[in-house]
Amino acid sequence: SQELEQSPQSLIVQEGKNLTINCTSSKTLYGLYWYKQKYGEGLIFLMMLQKGGEEKSHEKITAKLDEKKQQSSLHITASQPSHAGIYLCGADNPGNTPLVFGKGTRLSVIA
Amino acid sequence: ETGVTQTPRHLVMGMTNKKSLKCEQHLGHNAMYWYKQSAKKPLELMFVYNFKEQTENNSVPSRFSPECPNSSHLFLHLHTLQPEDSALYLCASSQVGGSLQETQYFGPGTRLLVL
Repeated sequence: SQELEQSPQSLIVQEGKNLTINCTSSKTLYGLYWYKQKYGEGLIFLMMLQKGGEEKSHEKITAKLDEKKQQSSLHITASQPSHAGIYLCGADNPGNTPLVFGKGTRLSVIA
Repeated sequence: ETGVTQTPRHLVMGMTNKKSLKCEQHLGHNAMYWYKQSAKKPLELMFVYNFKEQTENNSVPSRFSPECPNSSHLFLHLHTLQPEDSALYLCASSQVGGSLQETQYFGPGTRLLVL
């Protein structure tokens, strides 16, 4: 079965700094989802990547999909306290019903 | 009301109690899901319903019993739970139809504590 490994597991950054979170799959990535979860709450959909080399941005968050590396990265520019939370990646491929998730990366942004 | 809603948001129950979690989606989706989220573990898929039919049951103990009366509502009936069942229970919905499914949208979750 497919497994997703996220790194780092947790991250503390100073407000205004840039950061990157990685999600590496044990199998070929066909579809990759990024979600954000505030502590103890539901998941909020951020973006979905389907094609190798695809890059999407939403406000100050950019995600890329590297098919060859079977990896996706999430980059936050000029982090703010509102970016704090748990970021989870989820993978979809034919045969997966439904998504397989990573364990998440816990992000804290300090002033 | 839009999106996916869950009630209650918090629940404390004893091991002999019977309770139910409710999920409602207002997105017109045809698939609904129950997930369990425990500390330091990936999201665990519990049940999947497509078009009101259960299509997956990932070896979930029988003390968890799902019910999907229609495509908009999903219940998780709980009875004789164990303390290790304490977790955040998340409901999600999506539209399925092709080889790859559409985005899943999640509810806010029910934080369950079993004493």
